[in-house]
Amino acid sequence: EPEVTQTPSHQVTQMGQEVILRCVPISNHLYFYWYRQILGQKVEFLVSFYNNEISEKSEIFDDQFSVERPDGSNFTLKIRSTKLEDSAMYFCASTQDGSDRDRQFFGPGTRLTVL
Amino acid sequence: AQKITQTQPGMFVQEKEAVTLDCTYDTSDPSYGLFWYKQPSSGEMIFLIYQGSYDQQNATEGRYSLNFQKARKSANLVISASQLGDSAMYFCAMRETNTGTASKLTFGTGTRLQVTL
Repeated sequence: EPEVTQTPSHQVTQMGQEVILRCVPISNHLYFYWYRQILGQKVEFLVSFYNNEISEKSEIFDDQFSVERPDGSNFTLKIRSTKLEDSAMYFCASTQDGSDRDRQFFGPGTRLTVL
Repeated sequence: AQKITQTQPGMFVQEKEAVTLDCTYDTSDPSYGLFWYKQPSSGEMIFLIYQGSYDQQNATEGRYSLNFQKARKSANLVISASQLGDSAMYFCAMRETNTGTASKLTFGTGTRLQVTL
């Protein structure tokens, strides 16, 4: 089965530093997402991306966050100046057609630890 | 109001028994999809089963089935013949079509299932 990949699996950073989380969605998928899961809590939507622009973003996705599809295969999430509360598991997901029926394929996640 | 409610923070089941994990949802969108994901201790999100709002039959995938009661807005996951490897966190999620082009998933708080010998 095709899969979404994410790198790195674990990132440790100092507060105030910039981090870039990388994802490679499934090759024929057109819709891309980032979700966040703070330890022990539910998975929360951050942002969706389609046709090279943000389709929707949550309240969490403030000016410190940005997404990019730099080269047609990678999909990145950048946090400009990390805060302690950004420590979480970050999941990338992709779907083919974005319909309600279309299953979202999740990557294995990147665990971000901000010290 | 919560869009997805999972009222069971933790459940225990004996190996080989069946277990039902509850999920209720709230939407005014006539077209939506309901999903269940499994999250083992390793952290990845594993897709289990999908139910569309217009599907007439309850979804089934191997040992997983979804008890979909549209009028009650519930989408309970039934795991038959539980195995030790089923011990994990289980999340119910919903996808609505009126929220934009790339419909996001909204998750519940999850149920931690522990399968015992």
